[in-house]
Amino acid sequence: GESVGLHLPTLSVQEGDNSIINCAYSNSASDYFIWYKQESGKGPQFIIDIRSNMDKRQGQRVTVLLNKTVKHLSLQIAATQPGDSAVYFCAETAGNNRKLIWGLGTSLGVNP
Amino acid sequence: KAGVTQTPRYLIKTRGQQVTLSCSPISGHRSVSWYQQTPGQGLQFLFEYFSETQRNKGNFPGRFSGRQFSNSRSEMNVSTLELGDSALYLCASSNRTAYTQYFGPGTRLTVL
Repeated sequence: GESVGLHLPTLSVQEGDNSIINCAYSNSASDYFIWYKQESGKGPQFIIDIRSNMDKRQGQRVTVLLNKTVKHLSLQIAATQPGDSAVYFCAETAGNNRKLIWGLGTSLGVNP
Repeated sequence: KAGVTQTPRYLIKTRGQQVTLSCSPISGHRSVSWYQQTPGQGLQFLFEYFSETQRNKGNFPGRFSGRQFSNSRSEMNVSTLELGDSALYLCASSNRTAYTQYFGPGTRLTVL
């Protein structure tokens, strides 16, 4: 089926370090991108989004970077905490039907 | 506001049976989307309803169906269950298509 690719299925970082989760997308017409976080036993939770007319957007401890030239999206988490341990999904959407296309997810583990 | 609720949280069925899952969106949200989540396939879009009309549909067989009521509550039905239907079924609501979606905790379906 349709999917947005992720470079790494798992990522392990030390508490306090910065984390970078990458995502490649295939549809050059995609104009809206979202990052979600899913903790064990819960549904995905919205983190941050970005539109294609931007290349960077910052939230609280998170930054999303968009490189449309190489169709690459990344999520940066500053000062990673144990509570950041989760699976992170990127999703894209394009066109009038606005259907979200989801990546497979990256599992982030934080070592104390 | 109360979040998205899904019932039941867990279900065990046998092959050939049918199942109905329920989703109550956030108050005021008129769009409800359903996803199937499995470890190997990630989040797969099933369908989206808006104002009681199916507006988007994923690539699932006709055994998967859904509906939305006038109060925006939604149900999905899977008939003639197969072992491969075992998954976490997630419901998400939004106040417009494919923009920030808010997820429920999911229904874990196990088909034996």
